[in-house]
Amino acid sequence: KAGVTQTPRYLIKTRGQQVTLSCSPISGHRSVSWYQQTPGQGLQFLFEYFSETQRNKGNFPGRFSGRQFSNSRSEMNVSTLELGDSALYLCASSRDRNYEQYFGPGTRLTVT
Amino acid sequence: AQSVTQLDSQVPVFEEAPVELRCNYSSSVSVYLFWYVQYPNQGLQLLLKYLSGSTLVKGINGFEAEFNKSQTSFHLRKPSVHISDTAEYFCAVSVGSGNTGKLIFGQGTTLQVKP
Repeated sequence: KAGVTQTPRYLIKTRGQQVTLSCSPISGHRSVSWYQQTPGQGLQFLFEYFSETQRNKGNFPGRFSGRQFSNSRSEMNVSTLELGDSALYLCASSRDRNYEQYFGPGTRLTVT
Repeated sequence: AQSVTQLDSQVPVFEEAPVELRCNYSSSVSVYLFWYVQYPNQGLQLLLKYLSGSTLVKGINGFEAEFNKSQTSFHLRKPSVHISDTAEYFCAVSVGSGNTGKLIFGQGTTLQVKP
């Protein structure tokens, strides 16, 4: 069974631009969560989607948003990029909301 | 608020020696507990999980962990490490039954296995 896939793997953007990252969960998984990983703040939860609805949200500004489609694929969007948004963005999927999460390889975003 | 503390930022150990990576959490409600490993330039790989049942949990690659509710700990152990175990290890907790969608992570422990 294929794992969680994330596209693109690497991105370079300029301050003020916006970016969309994509995540395809493991087949049959219905829950998708997003995390930001930086050297300073570590791994921080962004949001969780289940059945196309946002179920949990972390402590991030409104510039960070996401959505989930009917096939469980998910996207996250960051508008008006700041230098501090440079990070590894990880997506994780789980079969349901009380099962373990499996992570994708991440998207490395660099904001210049 | 829930939190996870990994007590050691770096753990150096010689090959074939035993190792313990320590993790404590703070929560007054039921929790699910996880250990993940991250190799350079990769995502997180699930090592093991505690959802319910036996407090001694066995995972992949010879790792195990013990859930201690009274001490709110979930330490990771391996009796004999290999060079290939060199990586960063993260302890994580999800809070509240029926919801593993939001994980709170510790700051990570870098395991350095020396020949």
